[in-house]
Amino acid sequence: DAGVIQSPRHEVTEMGQEVTLRCKPISGHNSLFWYRQTMMRGLELLIYFNNNVPIDDSGMPEDRFSAKMPNASFSTLKIQPSEPRDSAVYFCASTTGHRLSTDTQYFGPGTRLTVL
Amino acid sequence: GQQVMQIPQYQHVQEGEDFTTYCNSSTTLSNIQWYKQRPGGHPVFLIQLVKSGEVKKQKRLTFQFGEAKKNSSLHITATQTTDVGTYFCAVISNTGKLIFGQGTTLQVKP
Repeated sequence: DAGVIQSPRHEVTEMGQEVTLRCKPISGHNSLFWYRQTMMRGLELLIYFNNNVPIDDSGMPEDRFSAKMPNASFSTLKIQPSEPRDSAVYFCASTTGHRLSTDTQYFGPGTRLTVL
Repeated sequence: GQQVMQIPQYQHVQEGEDFTTYCNSSTTLSNIQWYKQRPGGHPVFLIQLVKSGEVKKQKRLTFQFGEAKKNSSLHITATQTTDVGTYFCAVISNTGKLIFGQGTTLQVKP
């Protein structure tokens, strides 16, 4: 079975450019999560969706970040304009969504973003 | 908001030695999950503990949930180089989000 798929795996861009990260959750999973991981701040939840609807975006750093989930098999995280402090590994994870409090999170391989 | 403290932050052991990481919360937890992230990899689910005082084993790994459901530990017996990575505990916040601890990074010297 295919796990969570993320693209690109690596992204290097210049400050001010728009960056779009993509995620395909595991088929049949109803909840999708975007995380950011840095040495300083660890693993932070940015936003999560349930049945394609954003449930909690309180972790989104600022207005430069936006996320969408147009259908059950695709989500994007966009940064516009990007800044060097956005450099991090961005993970997408999905769960069945049946019971968020106990669901296992399945993580994608991550996108390593470097903003110069 | 819900926070969980994980210690130690780093641990270096000689292969064959034991290793333990601890996760502590100031509030009672409904459950706790443990994940492992290999260097350059992504977090992978290991186990979930739900019951007070619960102990679960996976080969050389032993997971415990405290009687008061405020703390948990992961113990690895006789570490191997394949155990290298960062171990995270994760708890559910009062708003339903999964909150990860800071992680304990384990280095094993052969």
